[in-house]
Amino acid sequence: NAGVTQTPKFQVLKTGQSMTLQCAQDMNHEYMSWYRQDPGMGLRLIHYSVGAGITDQGEVPNGYNVSRSTTEDFPLRLLSAAPSQTSVYFCASSPDWTSGLGEQYFGPGTRLTVT
Amino acid sequence: EDKVVQSPLSLVVHEGDTVTLNCSYEVTNFRSLLWYKQEKKAPTFLFMLTSSGIEKKSGRLSSILDKKELSSILNITATQTGDSAIYLCAAEYGNKLVFGAGTILRVKS
Repeated sequence: NAGVTQTPKFQVLKTGQSMTLQCAQDMNHEYMSWYRQDPGMGLRLIHYSVGAGITDQGEVPNGYNVSRSTTEDFPLRLLSAAPSQTSVYFCASSPDWTSGLGEQYFGPGTRLTVT
Repeated sequence: EDKVVQSPLSLVVHEGDTVTLNCSYEVTNFRSLLWYKQEKKAPTFLFMLTSSGIEKKSGRLSSILDKKELSSILNITATQTGDSAIYLCAAEYGNKLVFGAGTILRVKS
């Protein structure tokens, strides 16, 4: 099992560019989520999904889009990058959500810098 | 607004000391309280607590939830330099987690 994988590991964008952060898991988990982590602020939820075809917003969804066409993949799209989106992005998954999320399995993270 | 507050924000101790990290939460439809350890990479799971007053233990780490006080503590006894990390607390509500800002623990040898 590779667990949760994320690509790329590092990315530098110019203001206004768009890009997609990839996330995949091979554990057949129903629940997947995206977080951003900024210094002194812990992790903040951007978007999450409880299964293929179902997504919902978290705390900080503005400027980001997601889709979930398969159980395995949950890409995060930045529509028009802004310096405020400079952050470390983590994808995470959980096996179930109906009776509680339980442990979340995190990917290694993507460090994004927007200049 | 759903929120989690951790204290202290940072802490420096010497090897062998015992530390207590605090977490308080204010969320609607609370389901569970989770603790994670984060070194220079992704968070790794430590504990999940759903019932008040029941201590969970793993080696030198233990945690307990107080639902009446809407809080939890994480204890680390006989600290080692390898315990140096950010400790994150998160409250589960609905289908989401809200994280605190974390406590940065540094253990000096």
